[in-house]
Amino acid sequence: DVKVTQSSRYLVKRTGEKVFLECVQDMDHENMFWYRQDPGLGLRLIYFSYDVKMKEKGDIPEGYSVSREKKERFSLILESASTNQTSMYLCASRRGGSYNEQFFGPGTRLTVL
Amino acid sequence: ELKVEQNPLFLSMQEGKNYTIYCNYSTTSDRLYWYRQDPGKSLESLFVLLSNGAVKQEGRLMASLDTKARLSTLHITAAVHDLSATYFCAVDISLRGTYKYIFGTGTRLKVLA
Repeated sequence: DVKVTQSSRYLVKRTGEKVFLECVQDMDHENMFWYRQDPGLGLRLIYFSYDVKMKEKGDIPEGYSVSREKKERFSLILESASTNQTSMYLCASRRGGSYNEQFFGPGTRLTVL
Repeated sequence: ELKVEQNPLFLSMQEGKNYTIYCNYSTTSDRLYWYRQDPGKSLESLFVLLSNGAVKQEGRLMASLDTKARLSTLHITAAVHDLSATYFCAVDISLRGTYKYIFGTGTRLKVLA
């Protein structure tokens, strides 16, 4: 079974703090994704990566950065957390090429005070 | 603009009844995925539909894909309370060397005993 894990289920941070969200997958997938999910706005793509050290902006990259130093790990970084970044963050991975589904991690509910 | 629309957005139904959730999309794609999300949880893969005319069934759920009409349906047969959840469809599109999802708006299903 594909397993995607995220470092925290719940996280509370203060405005201005630097926040790291970690995602690890164990199936040697080439592609990894970070989404945020907000009521009424659905799932929105923040960043994705199709290879180690490669990253691409998604639909809402402002205020975020990412790092992918190893194939299995994809980190989302909030350089200076703000209250409007309070959200559910979901990581996903998939095998490269088409015709492959994304597998999602359990999610991290981040609250920025 | 790429759009994936689901209807209905909310569905309250009695146990034992049948109903269909519709997923319309505006771009050319022959890959569509259905996911289930329970409150506060992540997305769980339900169906992978990879060609026109594809039909998949699992228990009381059946999904189909008509790429010519750009329409997928998720049919619920004899609903039970355990099917209460939010259901998302996602269309796969090519993007900068990989593929990304465009998610539907989600359908929140409540099955009443």
